[in-house]
Amino acid sequence: DVVMTQTPPSLSVAIGQSVSISCKSSQSLVYSDGKTYLHWLLQSPGRSPKRLIYQVSNLGSGVPDRFSGTGSQKDFTLKISRVEAEDLGVYYCAQTTHFPLTFGSGTKLEIK
Amino acid sequence: QIQLVQSGPELKKPGESLKISCKASGYTFTDYAMQWVKQAPGKGLQYMGWINTQTGKPTYADDFKERFVFSLETSASTAYLQINNLKNEDTATYFCARGLDLGTWGQGASVTVSS
Repeated sequence: DVVMTQTPPSLSVAIGQSVSISCKSSQSLVYSDGKTYLHWLLQSPGRSPKRLIYQVSNLGSGVPDRFSGTGSQKDFTLKISRVEAEDLGVYYCAQTTHFPLTFGSGTKLEIK
Repeated sequence: QIQLVQSGPELKKPGESLKISCKASGYTFTDYAMQWVKQAPGKGLQYMGWINTQTGKPTYADDFKERFVFSLETSASTAYLQINNLKNEDTATYFCARGLDLGTWGQGASVTVSS
């Protein structure tokens, strides 16, 4: 199985700051169709996960452009510019290139 | 709008069975696979497998090849997760999620297994 290593495990940031979360995979996530199926999810407290970014850098519907994703092959980053209070929760990276799908262990974002 | 609505919380005893539903709306049900994900209390996300909504063929991750059954009622745009011979460690919230890009998630179905 592809191992997704996500860092840091937790972050505490002030409103308006920017943060980055790293996700590294044990194998390349480029599929045979040339696409990279690496996604970012946010699970707000008591809620189901919501997809923020799909295929590395594509913003999901209704997701603010404060969120951005970059990376390639095995190394990916989620950046949140100008953190807002509603951004708190646990962020997960997920790969759907290889079966079984695997998730990072999560990064808990707290607001100072 | 695109939605996945799951069935309500369940309280079961060890050895019993249950069936969770995931009703899709706002899109053509057979255009996207349905994924299933488990989240134990206070833990991260664990992938269970997926079902091909065109053929009905399920594919299970290794930890979920026994006791777990994915099925469909295509006419009702609904996917099901059945868990047989429930164990305490099945206590979790179970999510359905749409497609390879995990674009939409159900609200989760809470399952508690306790004697």
